[in-house]
Amino acid sequence: NAGVTQTPKFRVLKTGQSMTLLCAQDMNHEYMYWYRQDPGMGLRLIHYSVGEGTTAKGEVPDGYNVSRLKKQNFLLGLESAAPSQTSVYFCASSYLEVAHTGELFFGEGSRLTVL
Amino acid sequence: RKEVEQDPGPFNVPEGATVAFNCTYSNSASQSFFWYRQDCRKEPKLLMSVYSSGNEDGRFTAQLNRASQYISLLIRDSKLSDSATYLCVVDASGNTPLVFGKGTRLSVIA
Repeated sequence: NAGVTQTPKFRVLKTGQSMTLLCAQDMNHEYMYWYRQDPGMGLRLIHYSVGEGTTAKGEVPDGYNVSRLKKQNFLLGLESAAPSQTSVYFCASSYLEVAHTGELFFGEGSRLTVL
Repeated sequence: RKEVEQDPGPFNVPEGATVAFNCTYSNSASQSFFWYRQDCRKEPKLLMSVYSSGNEDGRFTAQLNRASQYISLLIRDSKLSDSATYLCVVDASGNTPLVFGKGTRLSVIA
């Protein structure tokens, strides 16, 4: 059982380049999330999805776009990368509304550096 | 006032010690509270939920004080393997399903 898988694990970009992070979960979860984690800032929600075909903005959505075309996949896109987007990105999923269960299943993280 | 505040630490304690972390939250309407654990360069994982009546899981005890809007995590008989960052997590209204604290780092020393 793979759980939540993120690709790529590491990436270095130049300012202005674009890229997509892929998150895949095999647990049939309805809810999926993208977080970023920076030193001293904790985990901050970028975008999330409550089901296939839906997306919603989180705390820090600017500079990112997302898509949930298939229930098992949640893509995070950076159209024009900036150094401020250097971070560790975590994807997570949950079966039920997370406020009730608290159980988020995280991927291993994707370390992105923008030069 | 930030939504969820934690003492960042680090807390350096010897093996076998008892250590407690506190976390305060600002949204009085919050209903759900959790502690997550994150090992260095790893993903966070749910440690335990925090119930109104308090709850215990082995060496770990979580408590909630709604009047003062804080939750606590007590670790008894600390092990080297308890070294990690402990994240306080609270449900929130608006566009953020859960709000994570910045974490408290614990180092258990032999």
